[in-house]
Amino acid sequence: DAGVIQSPRHEVTEMGQEVTLRCKPISGHNSLFWYRQTMMRGLELLIYFNNNVPIDDSGMPEDRFSAKMPNASFSTLKIQPSEPRDSAVYFCASSFTGASNQPQHFGDGTRLSIL
Amino acid sequence: GDSVTQMEGPVTLSEEAFLTINCTYTATGYPSLFWYVQYPGEGLQLLLKATKADDKGSNKGFEATYRKETTSFHLEKGSVQVSDSAVYFCALKDNNNDMRFGAGTRLTVKP
Repeated sequence: DAGVIQSPRHEVTEMGQEVTLRCKPISGHNSLFWYRQTMMRGLELLIYFNNNVPIDDSGMPEDRFSAKMPNASFSTLKIQPSEPRDSAVYFCASSFTGASNQPQHFGDGTRLSIL
Repeated sequence: GDSVTQMEGPVTLSEEAFLTINCTYTATGYPSLFWYVQYPGEGLQLLLKATKADDKGSNKGFEATYRKETTSFHLEKGSVQVSDSAVYFCALKDNNNDMRFGAGTRLTVKP
């Protein structure tokens, strides 16, 4: 079975540029989560969607960050304009929330470096 | 709110040593409990889970028992290997389907 697929795996860009991270959740999962991981702050939940609708975006750090889920099989996380402090690994995860015993499944992450 | 507290690392062990990583939780209701493992350069992978009191999750020689009386879900392995070096996350999922992760514990196993 295909897991959660994220692209790109690595992104290096200059500050001020727009960055778009992409995620394809596992087919049949109805919830999608975006996380950011850094050494200093650990794993932080940025936003999550349920049935393509954003439920909680309180973790989104600033207005420069936005996320969309136009359909059940695709989501994007966009940073515009990017800043060096946005450098981190960004993970997408999906799950089926029909039962509380179902875990989240993570992609391999996008390692973002803003110069 | 619900939360997970796990043992601070880093933890360094010699190969074949016994491993325990402590995890305790605070939750209303009856959460499901999980351990995830993150190898260098990879995402979090589900290692094991337990969904009700006294359940024991196990996988790859790792075990954890859901202890409601002590609100704990400690991870154990009898004999660690160098390949077990990774970061381990304890997590809970509550009845609202909200997931809470611990801060992670870095394990290094030396030959």
